[in-house]
Amino acid sequence: DTGVSQDPRHKITKRGQNVTFRCDPISEHNRLYWYRQTLGQGPEFLTYFQNEAQLEKSRLLSDRFSAERPKGSFSTLEIQRTEQGDSAMYLCASSTGLAGNTGELFFGEGSRLTVL
Amino acid sequence: QKEVEQDPGPLSVPEGAIVSLNCTYSNSAFQYFMWYRQYSRKGPELLMYTYSSGNKEDGRFTAQVDKSSKYISLFIRDSQPSDSATYLCAMIYTGGFKTIFGAGTRLFVKA
Repeated sequence: DTGVSQDPRHKITKRGQNVTFRCDPISEHNRLYWYRQTLGQGPEFLTYFQNEAQLEKSRLLSDRFSAERPKGSFSTLEIQRTEQGDSAMYLCASSTGLAGNTGELFFGEGSRLTVL
Repeated sequence: QKEVEQDPGPLSVPEGAIVSLNCTYSNSAFQYFMWYRQYSRKGPELLMYTYSSGNKEDGRFTAQVDKSSKYISLFIRDSQPSDSATYLCAMIYTGGFKTIFGAGTRLFVKA
């Protein structure tokens, strides 16, 4: 399977703990995105990488959140000192970013976070 | 006010019905308009996209964009139970990289 893969699929943690999610994008895609989706809402943009450079971060991404994409391949999203309000589905997506590209996003199946 | 507004539903229709899903938006800079479909516990997948105004048809699906009214629609003809999913409208600025999503409309097609 050459789609976007995310790990873990589901993480249950206690408030105050740190969690890390990993995303492996489609190999030829140079753009990588993290979105957050809560129940009954559409995906909300968190951050965007072009290759290894993080080009934009949403105001939703507090100081407790950090994302990396070393060497422009896989990406990690870490949440420190988790809060109950962090409970959500964290979606990773990738795209080619080619000129004239519509920006179609290819999503993984998401990592669901439950903070107790 | 959100940039993209979408009625979350749910919308329940009998099999074979014509379904109409809609979104409105506030920013005239949006140029690419997309519809994603999301099944339960899955990531969204692109269904259709349209550049600027006009119609686009793909099988049972038709996407319409009316930029003058800042209104987009997705029509599903001969709806099937397998169409039961959440439909997300999405938009992106020309030259932009950030896709903005609506809240999604949950659709149930009853056999």
